[in-house]
Amino acid sequence: DVKVTQSSRYLVKRTGEKVFLECVQDMDHENMFWYRQDPGLGLRLIYFSYDVKMKEKGDIPEGYSVSREKKERFSLILESASTNQTSMYLCASSLWELAGGPGEQYFGPGTRLTVT
Amino acid sequence: SQELEQSPQSLIVQEGKNLTINCTSSKTLYGLYWYKQKYGEGLIFLMMLQKGGEEKSHEKITAKLDEKKQQSSLHITASQPSHAGIYLCGADMEYGNKLVFGAGTILRVKS
Repeated sequence: DVKVTQSSRYLVKRTGEKVFLECVQDMDHENMFWYRQDPGLGLRLIYFSYDVKMKEKGDIPEGYSVSREKKERFSLILESASTNQTSMYLCASSLWELAGGPGEQYFGPGTRLTVT
Repeated sequence: SQELEQSPQSLIVQEGKNLTINCTSSKTLYGLYWYKQKYGEGLIFLMMLQKGGEEKSHEKITAKLDEKKQQSSLHITASQPSHAGIYLCGADMEYGNKLVFGAGTILRVKS
């Protein structure tokens, strides 16, 4: 079974703190993704990576950065947390498809981040 | 995403009743993925559709992609409390490796 794990299920941080969210997958997937999920807005893509040290901005990258130093690990960084970053953060991974297209994404359990 | 509209936003059904959730796009869908999410947890893959007119079933859940490949429906027959959760559609709109997601449909099943 594909396993995607996230470092924390629940996290509470103060405004202005630097926050690291870690995601690890064990299936040698090339692609990894960070989403945030908010009621009524669904999943919005923050950043994704299709290879080690490669990253691309998603739809809402402002206030976030990412790091992918190893294939299995993709980190999301909130440089200076703000209250509007309170959300559910979901990590996903997928195989790079030779024929193109995103392929099935496997999701982690999510991290519910609260910024006070 | 506004590119992908899901309806209804939420749904409460009596156990045993059938229900349908729709996912509509203004653009051609090159692949449509259905996921289920239990509250506060990650997404679980249900099924994927690629061809116009395609239909797939898993237990009591059936998903279809219309001929024009711009709408998909998810149908649950004889709903059970275990079906409760959030259903999300994710679409391949030829943006490379990205999926575009709908806002989700919250399903509650009353016993």
